Amino acid sequence: DGGITQSPKYLFRKEGQNVTLSCEQNLNHDAMYWYRQDPGQGLRLIYYSQIVNDFQKGDIAEGYSVSREKKESFPLTVTSAQKNPTAFYLCASRRTGDLYEQYFGPGTRLTVT
Amino acid sequence: KNEVEQSPQNLTAQEGEFITINCSYSVGISALHWLQQHPGGGIVSLFMLSSGKKKHGRLIATINIQEKHSSLHITASHPRDSAVYICAAPLGSSNYKLTFGKGTLLTVNP
Repeated sequence: DGGITQSPKYLFRKEGQNVTLSCEQNLNHDAMYWYRQDPGQGLRLIYYSQIVNDFQKGDIAEGYSVSREKKESFPLTVTSAQKNPTAFYLCASRRTGDLYEQYFGPGTRLTVT
Repeated sequence: KNEVEQSPQNLTAQEGEFITINCSYSVGISALHWLQQHPGGGIVSLFMLSSGKKKHGRLIATINIQEKHSSLHITASHPRDSAVYICAAPLGSSNYKLTFGKGTLLTVNP
């Protein structure tokens, strides 16, 4: 079945460590996204990529980095520079074009102590 | 400021009731998205609509482009409908980027 996978579902890290969240899709979608969700707030865009080897900063990119070396994969690294990294992280993808839905992965809940 | 506003923030209903969740946005858009997030966290796309009305089972979504307003209705609500419902719209210059509402937490009691 086609879909988006994120691993792991729960991730625990010590403050000061970088951590990489995985996102893989087999939907053959060109565009991929990373969102952050905090209690009481809407999803906020961290980074997005419309095509392989290209990505753009979203609204809250500081402290995060991404790569897009393959169409299927869009890993997100939460660096030690991110001041409040504890959050729920969602990856999404969609087809190129105006009127296509976004498909979401199951999310990774990151806790940094 | 480009915004997507939802109301109510929280909604509690009895099984069988008709539910309405509202969404308003600040600028013209190409399409509006309704999403559902269950307690486990995963998000499912319910509707994407650019005009009129769409129906899927007991769910109905409507949009009024002139008034910049959309509604999500649930008929004959059931406890399994309990979830967070989120509307989202591409408010910026790029249709690739969505702005999300804060969500409406719906609880349907048996």
